[in-house]
Amino acid sequence: QKEVEQDPGPLSVPEGAIVSLNCTYSNSAFQYFMWYRQYSRKGPELLMYTYSSGNKEDGRFTAQVDKSSKYISLFIRDSQPSDSATYLCAMRPLRRAGSYQLTFGKGTKLSVIP
Amino acid sequence: NAGVMQNPRHLVRRRGQEARLRCSPMKGHSHVYWYRQLPEEGLKFMVYLQKENIIDESGMPKERFSAEFPKEGPSILRIQQVVRGDSAAYFCASSPTGQGVNYGYTFGSGTRLTVV
Repeated sequence: QKEVEQDPGPLSVPEGAIVSLNCTYSNSAFQYFMWYRQYSRKGPELLMYTYSSGNKEDGRFTAQVDKSSKYISLFIRDSQPSDSATYLCAMRPLRRAGSYQLTFGKGTKLSVIP
Repeated sequence: NAGVMQNPRHLVRRRGQEARLRCSPMKGHSHVYWYRQLPEEGLKFMVYLQKENIIDESGMPKERFSAEFPKEGPSILRIQQVVRGDSAAYFCASSPTGQGVNYGYTFGSGTRLTVV
């Protein structure tokens, strides 16, 4: 079982729809969670990071963490064609000696159709 | 305020040649991280460096790969005797402190290496 599972999609939605993107993980030591957006041929761009279980909102984006279920989500409200990109979840455990790496999901490719 | 700068953007090497990838972190950032993204795969951690020090190289292949971050100049990821399996996008990220790993890094646009 991979440490982080993410449905690669592709996911296609009409403009204005609410988008739900999800990752599951197996390592209960993961405590920090991030979402990145990656446009084609570009580097990942940090959208949000969270530490605790619950919701965190930033504009049209809401990140949700459920540590008991080992499940994280990113919701995009009022989706726009400019949101079309690949969305990557990333996570890491509480800092331990010698470990500074993020573990990424494979990414979900999203297309928002005008 | 320039972001993380990587060059070249695209690099083509023949099998057996050396590839050198450069990364200049954001101004004020002294912590650099290298990741590799293989086709249809997620980003995989390779190495974490501070100026003149390798802090964590647990993701680096044991042979042919090396990284440095000198006191002056960019960080360099060096791949000797490249093989077709090295073809990938290589991303560099930086953060102002080591806590960047908890709150997210800033990534560059990557170098796309093609081995022919």
